[in-house]
Amino acid sequence: QSVLTQPPSASGTPGQRVTISCSGSSSNIGSTYVYWYQQLPGTAPKLLIYRNAQRPSGVPDRFSGSKSGTSASLAISGLRSEDEADYYCAAWDDSLSGPVFGGGTKLTVL
Amino acid sequence: QITLKESGPTLVKPTQTLTLTCTFSGFSLSTNGVSVGWIRQPPGKALEWLALIYWDDDKRYSPSLKSRLTITKDTSKNQVVLTMTNIDPVDTATYYCAHRALTGDFNSWGQGTLVTVSS
Repeated sequence: QSVLTQPPSASGTPGQRVTISCSGSSSNIGSTYVYWYQQLPGTAPKLLIYRNAQRPSGVPDRFSGSKSGTSASLAISGLRSEDEADYYCAAWDDSLSGPVFGGGTKLTVL
Repeated sequence: QITLKESGPTLVKPTQTLTLTCTFSGFSLSTNGVSVGWIRQPPGKALEWLALIYWDDDKRYSPSLKSRLTITKDTSKNQVVLTMTNIDPVDTATYYCAHRALTGDFNSWGQGTLVTVSS
């Protein structure tokens, strides 16, 4: 049971916009930054979004993050087949004194 | 360019102690604010944070595994070592080490090493 809650799956067709939610509490998302990671099949996770909405160099602007209260969202616009992956949200948890991850969302591009 | 690589046994027997080494380059673990973390992922399951060590030797552990984990660093060798005692089959997972940036994110990850626990 992950501390942060994500839907187990999401899907969309090429070109569509999809959003993935991440729900937490006042001890994590509500009091600190949210991060998003993309994990392509058989590979290590890759940082996609940091500090709620910032994109590392090289991440397309099709990916965007937002946060409101104790929830956050990752939006992917102009969906492409190569976006098919698992997506994880993460945040620091003050109660646990460490980072926590969501359960992951498997994105399927139909 | 930051790189990290995990090494250790691929097969461990139950009740044994697992020792994993993360060898990194491209940064120094003696630089203010830098930290390295260990994260694991059981097959088909989610990421789980295990431990974190900071440049000043401050250490943080997952509360659920704290009694079984020890994280240490060797700054001269650019290595971070994680030991996990009393290994169980449920500890079968891919273990990753990752560089944690000043912005709080794990911005560079190793390729991971799959550890199978079986008698």
